[in-house]
Amino acid sequence: GAGVSQSPSNKVTEKGKDVELRCDPISGHTALYWYRQSLGQGLEFLIYFQGNSAPDKSGLPSDRFSAERTGGSVSTLTIQRTQQEDSAVYLCASSKDRGTEAFFGQGTRLTVV
Amino acid sequence: AQSVAQPEDQVNVAEGNPLTVKCTYSVSGNPYLFWYVQYPNRGLQFLLKYITGDNLVKGSYGFEAEFNKSQTSFHLKKPSALVSDSALYFCAVRVSGGYQKVTFGIGTKLQVIP
Repeated sequence: GAGVSQSPSNKVTEKGKDVELRCDPISGHTALYWYRQSLGQGLEFLIYFQGNSAPDKSGLPSDRFSAERTGGSVSTLTIQRTQQEDSAVYLCASSKDRGTEAFFGQGTRLTVV
Repeated sequence: AQSVAQPEDQVNVAEGNPLTVKCTYSVSGNPYLFWYVQYPNRGLQFLLKYITGDNLVKGSYGFEAEFNKSQTSFHLKKPSALVSDSALYFCAVRVSGGYQKVTFGIGTKLQVIP
């Protein structure tokens, strides 16, 4: 596609429910990132996929968070048993190569009520 | 570990005046450095990057940044600020070589006053 696509754009869920957030990176981009942006906060790194290498999961805040990238393309971020503190904008980005800039999607705004 | 510091939460500048948004970094090795801008209710947009070569990098919308290795800084600058430049600016770094994540700063809100 022309850009990084994320769905849904908005998600309201009840505390304790599981949610899945989807990211379609730019075709041909080998690197894919997930970040979280809370109101008034910066970008918190969550997870990084690079080609077929093992993902860097060092930013996942708890074992309720997981992500996968199927076929080196689409990625899904799953949050189990959501909590109110999970409310944030979840941003996905992809880049073509190591030295190139990342292109961001519009984000998924998650609200846990 | 790599990190980025943006020491100012907010920068206010009068329209037409030069602006500077500060960024310092820490990496074990040579850095790749980036600036991004986020307009209200919009996604992040790439502005410019330093990979190698000339320390002064020019980017979109008249912005530029200077890589200073001795001071480990990569400050964003523009000679004449526009009201439309008001936005949130993020500095980012990753180490060159290998496959490493990109680390972002907490962002600096730029307010250009008419």
